[in-house]
Amino acid sequence: SQQGEEDPQALSIQEGENATMNCSYKTSINNLQWYRQNSGRGLVHLILIRSNEREKHSGRLRVTLDTSKKSSSLLITASRAADTASYFCATDSKTSYDKVIFGPGTSLSVIP
Amino acid sequence: DVKVTQSSRYLVKRTGEKVFLECVQDMDHENMFWYRQDPGLGLRLIYFSYDVKMKEKGDIPEGYSVSREKKERFSLILESASTNQTSMYLCASSLQLEKLFFGSGTQLSVL
Repeated sequence: SQQGEEDPQALSIQEGENATMNCSYKTSINNLQWYRQNSGRGLVHLILIRSNEREKHSGRLRVTLDTSKKSSSLLITASRAADTASYFCATDSKTSYDKVIFGPGTSLSVIP
Repeated sequence: DVKVTQSSRYLVKRTGEKVFLECVQDMDHENMFWYRQDPGLGLRLIYFSYDVKMKEKGDIPEGYSVSREKKERFSLILESASTNQTSMYLCASSLQLEKLFFGSGTQLSVL
């Protein structure tokens, strides 16, 4: 069963625009993380937000978390062609210790 | 930086073969994970381990087993490979569950 699900599945934008991806999950969580995957490679950790936090920033990334709606969003500002990748949210559930579950991901294309 | 090394980048096997996928991490992490990744399905957890000789089933353990005899090494075993196990396999490790470090993946094709 998927703990997190991203929306949209695919997103295509022009360089310089902002990209927003959403993630929904089903059960109570400790943390929510966002990862990035370049084509055919492993995932790289981007940012973590704890269940008691509402917003977090890291460079051009802004993550929000709404535990009442069980949802999170990842905003990439001033996108670059190099941001083209797949983005995944991941959660560790309060009820399933030690498991980190990923959503199906959003494929982002940034057109130069 | 943490390094997670998967033994093969590409692997081609025949149906019915026993397949070993090896993963080694160099940062003394307690937690290690095996995921498979398929188009449209994202990453699905096969097995994970939070200590040596400890293992827990993930969401899709059927047809797989794992071995963790040493802290740095976590092996995924396909007892009798089938074509529906053709996939990208990703290994990860973490000290706590707050940041996973991934290997580059093994693209397995079962013919």
